[in-house]
Amino acid sequence: IVLTQSPVSVSVSPGETATLSCRASQSVSRNFAWYQQKPGRGLRLLIYGASTRATGVPDRFNGSGSETDFTLTISSLQPEDFAVYYCQQYSSWPPGITFGPGTKVEI
Amino acid sequence: EVLLLESGGGLVQPGRSLRLSCATSGFTFTNFAISWVRQAPGKGLEWVSGISASGGSTHYADSVKGRFTISRDNSENTLYLQMDSLRAEDTAVYYCAKGLSFGSVIDYFDYWGQGTLVTVSS
Repeated sequence: IVLTQSPVSVSVSPGETATLSCRASQSVSRNFAWYQQKPGRGLRLLIYGASTRATGVPDRFNGSGSETDFTLTISSLQPEDFAVYYCQQYSSWPPGITFGPGTKVEI
Repeated sequence: EVLLLESGGGLVQPGRSLRLSCATSGFTFTNFAISWVRQAPGKGLEWVSGISASGGSTHYADSVKGRFTISRDNSENTLYLQMDSLRAEDTAVYYCAKGLSFGSVIDYFDYWGQGTLVTVSS
């Protein structure tokens, strides 16, 4: 299953809203997650099950979608939110686990 | 606090071997499946391999099948990745990532390590 993220990068100002999209080449139901990565760091889980926020994730991060189309909305962007965001599907084996190529959110 | 700490990366020649380790703490290691995910320089993420909590089930990406072997030592709370017949395209930062399930390696990951860099070059 191929995941396509758009846009590749997006420039926003602090306080604004960023909308990130991810499309799967076939249905993954709601077996879908979003992660944040900052330079030189491991990944931080933000959303799983397409829309459930992970522990400690601020409510300005919201996930939605199902089947093949998914969205991560980051409201009221804070300086610490500027990072690369990856989507992931975890449907049954095969095909297993794949990640999207990432969306960079920059100032 | 959940911690995953990878080690064992470095520079290795094509065709040689390397073994990565991931030492864990802060959770009951024997209850969770765990995976290796890699990221080539400046590139995206690729799931490499996963192992169930008991170690009885393993899965591999096609790109590494037959060359890499995942294992775990539940008495030492440590995950391993034996990498043989290394190629230039295996150059990447390798992360270990904790799953949420006991048996299934096909899952999302709630904790990640900081990664260890493997460079395959002559």
